[in-house]
Amino acid sequence: NAGVIQTPRHKVTGKGQEATLWCEPISGHSAVFWYRQTIVQGLEFLTYFRNQAPIDDSGMPKERFSAQMPNQSHSTLKIQSTQPQDSAVYLCASSLVGGGNSDYTFGSGTRLLVI
Amino acid sequence: GDSVTQKQGQVTLSEDDFLFINCTYSTTTYPTLLWYVQYLGQGPQLLLKVTTANNKGISRGFEATYDKGTTSFHLQKASVQESDSAVYFCALVASSGSWQLIFGSGTQLTVMP
Repeated sequence: NAGVIQTPRHKVTGKGQEATLWCEPISGHSAVFWYRQTIVQGLEFLTYFRNQAPIDDSGMPKERFSAQMPNQSHSTLKIQSTQPQDSAVYLCASSLVGGGNSDYTFGSGTRLLVI
Repeated sequence: GDSVTQKQGQVTLSEDDFLFINCTYSTTTYPTLLWYVQYLGQGPQLLLKVTTANNKGISRGFEATYDKGTTSFHLQKASVQESDSAVYFCALVASSGSWQLIFGSGTQLTVMP
């Protein structure tokens, strides 16, 4: 079990460029979550998939951010026209089913720096 | 809505000291409360989970309990080691159907040798 795999570990983009972050959940886990972590805001929920279907994107900024899960083995978070305030660690987590009976496993994150 | 408050931003202890971190929560349902530990450069790792069914969890020398009356939950360890230095987050599984985790702001624990 390799755990949740996130690539790349570090990404530097210029302001206005696009950034795509990848997440490979643990095999067999049906729930996938994206979080953003900054010193100021802490750990913020972005979006959630269950069985590849988008369930809750209430934490996603309405503009420039999008997430997809085209198959059960990976999810992507895309940020268009990146801005310096998008600099953060983006974390992906997966769980078997979600809810109180599940353990949520996080990846090591992608550290995004927008310059 | 659901919320978690973790007021201790930084805690500095010496080895073998007692650790106690407290969080308070607000939710409309029976809570599932978790403690995560995050080491530098890594994602958060589940340390303990407490539910209304078990009221207490124990792992790696850490103990988590919750008090329904005061809607608080605690993480404690009798004797910390330098290797315990990390950020500790309390979290609550949201009562809505989204199952997202709602995190506290984290406690940076530094253990001096």
